[in-house]
Amino acid sequence: QVQLQQSGPGLVKPSQTLSLTCAISGDSVSSNSAAWNWIRQSPSRGLEWLGRTYYRSKWYNDYAASVRSRININPDTSKNQFSLQLNSVTPEDTAVYYCAREPRREAGRKADFDYWGQGGLVTVSS
Amino acid sequence: DIQMTQSPSTLSASVGDRVTITCRASQSISSWLAWYQQKPGKAPKLLIYKASNLESGVPSRFSGSGSGTEFTLTISSLQPDDFATYYCQQYDGYWTFGQGTKVEIK
Repeated sequence: QVQLQQSGPGLVKPSQTLSLTCAISGDSVSSNSAAWNWIRQSPSRGLEWLGRTYYRSKWYNDYAASVRSRININPDTSKNQFSLQLNSVTPEDTAVYYCAREPRREAGRKADFDYWGQGGLVTVSS
Repeated sequence: DIQMTQSPSTLSASVGDRVTITCRASQSISSWLAWYQQKPGKAPKLLIYKASNLESGVPSRFSGSGSGTEFTLTISSLQPDDFATYYCQQYDGYWTFGQGTKVEIK
């Protein structure tokens, strides 16, 4: 059974960096059969996909255009986890953040999210 | 971005009712659509993928249909555990979600 356990601070000051980690059990961040995603949810923006990292003989990343200039998602193979860093945050980045697994159902195609972390509210405020 | 529009936004129903939720895409997405259920304070839970495929462990009263730009999620006989908010998600392009449909007790 795949489990995703999120961790990270719940309060970040404006202009600083939001950092979250998602620890994986029951699968591998280096798996050729999955990709690892970050999604956030707020009343104003709804559910919003932020980006992903995945391994297919080498590491790849995809990022949403809305955050591309200030986001990094990195795998940590030694700890079997992946992280989100969002720079220069503003109060508009206040949201519940989720990590999620995307299974590789068909080669070369995107897929749904079958396992999710528990979520964590991050508030951007001074 | 591909825009996803769900209707209705809120649905009032009783236990045993047949419930249908509609999702429309701003352009054709073939069958690259998923449905999720979310309860307060919890992460979304995958119900249906590729428009009509039931995720393992999901009760058979849930079903999905459609292709192109119009999709439906049907609950054949609403159970007490089904009162929740439902989201569609497309993954033909980068992922986008509908705004949600809240199913509440009538």
